[in-house]
Amino acid sequence: SQKIEQNSEALNIQEGKTATLTCNYTNYSPAYLQWYRQDPGRGPVFLLLIRENEKEKRKERLKVTFDTTLKQSLFHITASQPADSATYLCASSGGSYIPTFGRGTSLIVHP
Amino acid sequence: SQTIHQWPATLVQPVGSPLSLECTVEGTSNPNLYWYRQAAGRGLQLLFYSVGIGQISSEVPQNLSASRPQDRQFILSSKKLLLSDSGFYLCAWTEGTAANYGYTFGSGTRLTVV
Repeated sequence: SQKIEQNSEALNIQEGKTATLTCNYTNYSPAYLQWYRQDPGRGPVFLLLIRENEKEKRKERLKVTFDTTLKQSLFHITASQPADSATYLCASSGGSYIPTFGRGTSLIVHP
Repeated sequence: SQTIHQWPATLVQPVGSPLSLECTVEGTSNPNLYWYRQAAGRGLQLLFYSVGIGQISSEVPQNLSASRPQDRQFILSSKKLLLSDSGFYLCAWTEGTAANYGYTFGSGTRLTVV
């Protein structure tokens, strides 16, 4: 089965900087990767989907890259704000059409 | 627009008691429906998914069951809860497979089995 690895340590950055979160996958080369935001006590919210034939996808201050050689996706938030503080989940296809989720990385943006 | 409703928001139940969590989706037809559980510090674990009325696929054999009595209604049940059933339960839907569309999750139910 697919395994998704995200950094379990929280990422602390200063407001205005670019936050970069990493998602590594093993086993299957996924057809797509998804990124979600989850606030405490809430359900995850879908942010972006990137397919295997896409190198990069952007949405406002968000950018996702997909490197099939490194088996990795990077999630960037530019000009980060304290309101961006949350846990960010990566999900990947692989083996079935149901995606596998990582445990998420907590982002803390300090004012 | 589509909305997903999940209730209750929190639940404290004694060991051995039954469970029923309900999820409904509005504004779409024939959605794919999912039940996930998220334990503290762990990733989302898929429990059940359904591609149509009466069609349930189980990913994790345990003392939970799911039913889909109507097109946009998905119910998670247990006859006798275990302590290990505690967690954050999330209902989700997709229009088609999640390969094309991200999940839309409900607000979740925090279940504590005591």
